[in-house]
Amino acid sequence: GQQLNQSPQSMFIQEGEDVSMNCTSSSIFNTWLWYKQDPGEGPVLLIALYKAGELTSNGRLTAQFGITRKDSFLNISASIPSDVGIYFCAGPPSNTGKLIFGQGTTLQVKP
Amino acid sequence: DAGVTQSPTHLIKTRGQHVTLRCSPISGHKSVSWYQQVLGQGPQFIFQYYEKEERGRGNFPDRFSARQFPNYSSELNVNALLLGDSALYLCASTLRSAGNTEAFFGQGTRLTVV
Repeated sequence: GQQLNQSPQSMFIQEGEDVSMNCTSSSIFNTWLWYKQDPGEGPVLLIALYKAGELTSNGRLTAQFGITRKDSFLNISASIPSDVGIYFCAGPPSNTGKLIFGQGTTLQVKP
Repeated sequence: DAGVTQSPTHLIKTRGQHVTLRCSPISGHKSVSWYQQVLGQGPQFIFQYYEKEERGRGNFPDRFSARQFPNYSSELNVNALLLGDSALYLCASTLRSAGNTEAFFGQGTRLTVV
């Protein structure tokens, strides 16, 4: 079945550094969603992407929908301690309402 | 406006028992989906309901069932619980059943089977 592969699996960075993570798929997606999940909580939607090539920002977060529609990346600029958490990419297979999730990128920020 | 609400937040059950989890979607959203998230993994799709009808089902055994009510709230039922059913169960609310739509999640129900 369709799978989303996220990299890196985990990151440990210094406060103030920029972060980049990506998500790839073997098949085409028409929507890419990026979520952040804190321990014991549900995922929170950060950014939604709907068009190939689209670049969208949400504060210090920027995400892009790859031209091939098989990848997406998320950048976080000037990281702060509250950016700590697990970041998931997700997308719906064509004409379905379900979401497939990547395995997540765990981000730790050192003050 | 309230977001997606789930109850209970935590639950401990014994093997063989059954459990019912509840979810209320965002006001105006007509679709509810259920996901299971085990530790260290991304959420896995279980069911989607739209306008009280099942629209999708993931690769889960028949012990898992769900329904959606006229007010669009939903229940997830799991029978004959196994230790492996221990997980965070998430409910997601969307405006439509498919297409370019954003899914919003509740805080989850942490189920522990002992």
